[in-house]
Amino acid sequence: GAVVSQHPSWVICKSGTSVKIECRSLDFQATTMFWYRQFPKQSLMLMATSNEGSKATYEQGVEKDKFLINHASLTLSTLTVTSAHPEDSSFYICSAPKGQIYEQYFGPGTRLTVT
Amino acid sequence: GQNIDQPTEMTATEGAIVQINCTYQTSGFNGLFWYQQHAGEAPTFLSYNVLDGLEEKGRFSSFLSRSKGYSYLLLKELQMKDSASYLCAVMDSNYQLIWGAGTKLIIKP
Repeated sequence: GAVVSQHPSWVICKSGTSVKIECRSLDFQATTMFWYRQFPKQSLMLMATSNEGSKATYEQGVEKDKFLINHASLTLSTLTVTSAHPEDSSFYICSAPKGQIYEQYFGPGTRLTVT
Repeated sequence: GQNIDQPTEMTATEGAIVQINCTYQTSGFNGLFWYQQHAGEAPTFLSYNVLDGLEEKGRFSSFLSRSKGYSYLLLKELQMKDSASYLCAVMDSNYQLIWGAGTKLIIKP
């Protein structure tokens, strides 16, 4: 199977600061990547679709100015949580399709804790 | 609206068989996925069904009935390591994944 990595795997930051999370496809190119958020005991919630070379598409209710997405290359997408607050504490997961759109590969996730 | 329903929690015994059901109502259909997710980890792919019928892969099988908007994941010869959440997801007409809330499976010795 394909490999998608995320960095960092966990991060603790203070309220008001910004945090950048990287998602990389290691052995394939991904023109599209998906960013999800998952709160404890809840399912994945799609936040946005990251498109290489163009603006990301955000889901309803997700603030694009707060969750900045950059997809500068075919193997890297970044999610920056700006002015983080404790309610942003969550598990953030990225995924990327390889080949067929249904072949989704997930990164290992990033646990964000905002104090 | 779009909706995926699956039981919140199930309990089964080691060595036994368990069936996890999933019903869906979505805008279009481009396949149904089952993922396994252990606590604190990202989901891992188990199966993909786009045509009606049963797909078998080792101890795991997945069934789909598009006319009924129904799928199940069948786990045989349960092992303790199978304790996890199982997520049902449907790819809609826009090729977006619509996720169920997941079924937490508890395996007892």
